[in-house]
Amino acid sequence: GAGVSQSPSNKVTEKGKDVELRCDPISGHTALYWYRQRLGQGLEFLIYFQGNSAPDKSGLPSDRFSAERTGESVSTLTIQRTQQEDSAVYLCASSRAGNSYNEQFFGPGTRLTVL
Amino acid sequence: GDSVTQMEGPVTLSEEAFLTINCTYTATGYPSLFWYVQYPGEGLQLLLKATKADDKGSNKGFEATYRKETTSFHLEKGSVQVSDSAVYFCALTPTGTASKLTFGTGTRLQVTL
Repeated sequence: GAGVSQSPSNKVTEKGKDVELRCDPISGHTALYWYRQRLGQGLEFLIYFQGNSAPDKSGLPSDRFSAERTGESVSTLTIQRTQQEDSAVYLCASSRAGNSYNEQFFGPGTRLTVL
Repeated sequence: GDSVTQMEGPVTLSEEAFLTINCTYTATGYPSLFWYVQYPGEGLQLLLKATKADDKGSNKGFEATYRKETTSFHLEKGSVQVSDSAVYFCALTPTGTASKLTFGTGTRLQVTL
């Protein structure tokens, strides 16, 4: 497709379960970002991949959160032992290169609800 | 650390009214500044950007000027339309090659006939 896609669009899970969220970036985009938007708050940076470099994990809120990306393709964000405070919209974005002059294109997000 | 503060919403205006959404930031050096917009049911889209002091970003009738002296990047439009109803986010990226975005909390704009 032409844009960033994410799946699932909605996920409801029980506290303590693991979830996996998927992001397909725009073809050819070397940089990929994950953000989280909790209700009534701005977007929080989680993690950033740039090509084959080590990812910037400085925004991950706890060791229950992890993300992987194979080359310049799909990324998965995994949340283990989910908690109610993990409920949020998780947004993925991609850009052609990892510098501040390149526009980040956002996906529609995955709405995660932890009961 | 870096931060962005934008005015609380919601903002409700009549069509053709003048719009200002205030945004101020805290960052070291000279960050790049952005406004993103999220229309109902859609993903975030870049509205405009400015990458150095005194630059003016503009798009779709919206403008914002990078003011280093007041650390501000206020969004303005002279005459809003119903189709401008959306949530607007101010954001910055730090100086250098890292390009993770730091966002404000967003301002919801509702334009009525």
